[in-house]
Amino acid sequence: GDSVTQMEGPVTLSEEAFLTINCTYTATGYPSLFWYVQYPGEGLQLLLKATKADDKGSNKGFEATYRKETTSFHLEKGSVQVSDSAVYFCALSDRPSGTYKYIFGTGTRLKVLA
Amino acid sequence: GAGVSQSPSNKVTEKGKDVELRCDPISGHTALYWYRQSLGQGLEFLIYFQGNSAPDKSGLPSDRFSAERTGGSVSTLTIQRTQQEDSAVYLCASSPTSGGSYEQYFGPGTRLTVT
Repeated sequence: GDSVTQMEGPVTLSEEAFLTINCTYTATGYPSLFWYVQYPGEGLQLLLKATKADDKGSNKGFEATYRKETTSFHLEKGSVQVSDSAVYFCALSDRPSGTYKYIFGTGTRLKVLA
Repeated sequence: GAGVSQSPSNKVTEKGKDVELRCDPISGHTALYWYRQSLGQGLEFLIYFQGNSAPDKSGLPSDRFSAERTGGSVSTLTIQRTQQEDSAVYLCASSPTSGGSYEQYFGPGTRLTVT
């Protein structure tokens, strides 16, 4: 079945450091890919998405490119801020499931130090 | 506009009791999903509604769990005879319709604690 593998956390970075959070997937069809963020005490918010191969999603300085050849959707940011401290979830939504339900990765906790 | 709302925000119940969790999706959204977020299992899909019907219930962990949706809007997730392993945050999400390009909008969740 479909699955998402996300790098283990926690990830601790200094402010202005470069961030990469790895995400790879397996899917039977042509999934859409998403990154969601969960700030402390808050609900899940969509950060960015990509619906087909080679699409790049971007938002708030974060970027991720849908790479079909490597089945990856790695999240990157050039310069993190303390306010980026949160848990990041990679997810896929795939048509063969019939429902477009999300399959989530385990989440990666990011802590940014001033 | 209004987002997805869930109630209650927190629920503490004794083992063996029944609980009902409510979700109000974004107006006009026909697709509605329930997920569970727990420390040991991460984020897991429970059930999907399209309108009032539930074509995918594959994630419900046992027959103690059931859900319904009425009027194509409000949904209720019911857990009967709660067990300690049911303790988790229950998340509801809605989407304009089902489809890969449509993101899901999540509510704040209901934190369920079974004592």
